[in-house]
Amino acid sequence: KQEVTQIPAALSVPEGENLVLNCSFTDSAIYNLQWFRQDPGKGLTSLLLIQSSQREQTSGRLNASLDKSSGRSTLYIAASQPGDSATYLCAPGNYGQNFVFGPGTRLSVLP
Amino acid sequence: EAGVAQSPRYKIIEKRQSVAFWCNPISGHATLYWYQQILGQGPKLLIQFQNNGVVDDSQLPKDRFSAERLKGVDSTLKIQPAKLEDSAVYLCASSLEGPPGAQYFGPGTRLLVL
Repeated sequence: KQEVTQIPAALSVPEGENLVLNCSFTDSAIYNLQWFRQDPGKGLTSLLLIQSSQREQTSGRLNASLDKSSGRSTLYIAASQPGDSATYLCAPGNYGQNFVFGPGTRLSVLP
Repeated sequence: EAGVAQSPRYKIIEKRQSVAFWCNPISGHATLYWYQQILGQGPKLLIQFQNNGVVDDSQLPKDRFSAERLKGVDSTLKIQPAKLEDSAVYLCASSLEGPPGAQYFGPGTRLLVL
């Protein structure tokens, strides 16, 4: 059974910092992994979907890397802004199976 | 392209009452998911539909929860009777492909059971 952890649980940084959010999963035989953002009281917004054959995926200031063999993914946010404040969730997906979501990292970027 | 629509956005009921949530997925998305998200946790899958058939309902508390997807488009999730521990956000998502295809989420329905 896939289990997902995210470290840290919460993070508070000043504006402009580069930061890394970590995701670990127990079953490394994944097909892909999706990173989401969730604003308070809102649904999830897809940020990046990285396939198992890829090492990384980039969108604007966001870069997600995947190391299947070690069961880890990281989300790198460059030059953080107050608008980046949200909860970030990772969800690995095994082939033919549903995504399993981590508990999320709650990020606060202070102006 | 319109996103996933859900209603209502908020609902407050007393325990033992019944409640229903509605979801309209992205047009053309054959796969529809209902998730329960308790405060501070990630979403937990309740049920997955492929067109109008149930693919996975292994985590659905079937003694009180039910869901249907008529005509393979809109879906309704019902709780009857509600318990205090059902207080959560109920999220609907859809995807073009079966799992684990990229999922797109609606805004959710926040349920409070008193």
